Amino acid sequence: QQQVKQSPQSLIVQKGGIPIINCAYENTAFDYFPWYQQFPGKGPALLIAIRPDVSEKKEGRFTISFNKSAKQFSLHIMDSQPGDSATYFCAALPYNQGGKLIFGQGTELSVKP
Amino acid sequence: DTGVSQNPRHKITKRGQNVTFRCDPISEHNRLYWYRQTLGQGPEFLTYFQNEAQLEKSRLLSDRFSAERPKGSFSTLEIQRTEQGDSAMYLCASSTGRRGYNEQFFGPGTRLTVL
Repeated sequence: QQQVKQSPQSLIVQKGGIPIINCAYENTAFDYFPWYQQFPGKGPALLIAIRPDVSEKKEGRFTISFNKSAKQFSLHIMDSQPGDSATYFCAALPYNQGGKLIFGQGTELSVKP
Repeated sequence: DTGVSQNPRHKITKRGQNVTFRCDPISEHNRLYWYRQTLGQGPEFLTYFQNEAQLEKSRLLSDRFSAERPKGSFSTLEIQRTEQGDSAMYLCASSTGRRGYNEQFFGPGTRLTVL
């Protein structure tokens, strides 16, 4: 069964801290791993994504670390700000299945000023 | 605005009524996806189109659900005989469909409440 497990469910950090959100998958037939940010009442917005042939990708304050052998990937937010307070979802795209994203359960992040 | 748009943004209906949602994808995006999101959960895939062809449907999409993309541009999602369990956010996303370009861009969603 294709699943993506995300943790923690919620996370509180102080401004300037580095929240880390983790995801693990079971099926090896995934070839694209995006992270989405969602504010209340809004649709998910693509934040950053990585392919399994890369171990790390940085875009601005956001970094994805990818461990193919452990089937795990994580999102790090550097110098977090109160405006980063949102729900974050990891996802995985099964290879050759037309683009059906499998999402994790989400992490509600709160950055305190 | 050149992003994905969805209408209506909110819909309240009584159990047993039919509802229809519309999604306008980013222009020149060939692929269009529908997802459903319940409170506190990640989006769940419902169905997707490559141009006007509906290529996959999830088991979540019961016989009461039907989706169309008649001219390969906008799409509609209809729910017949709504049930309280259908209450959710219905999200539409689009992508180019070109090999190697997997980014899916989501619309703001339609929040359905079934009373």
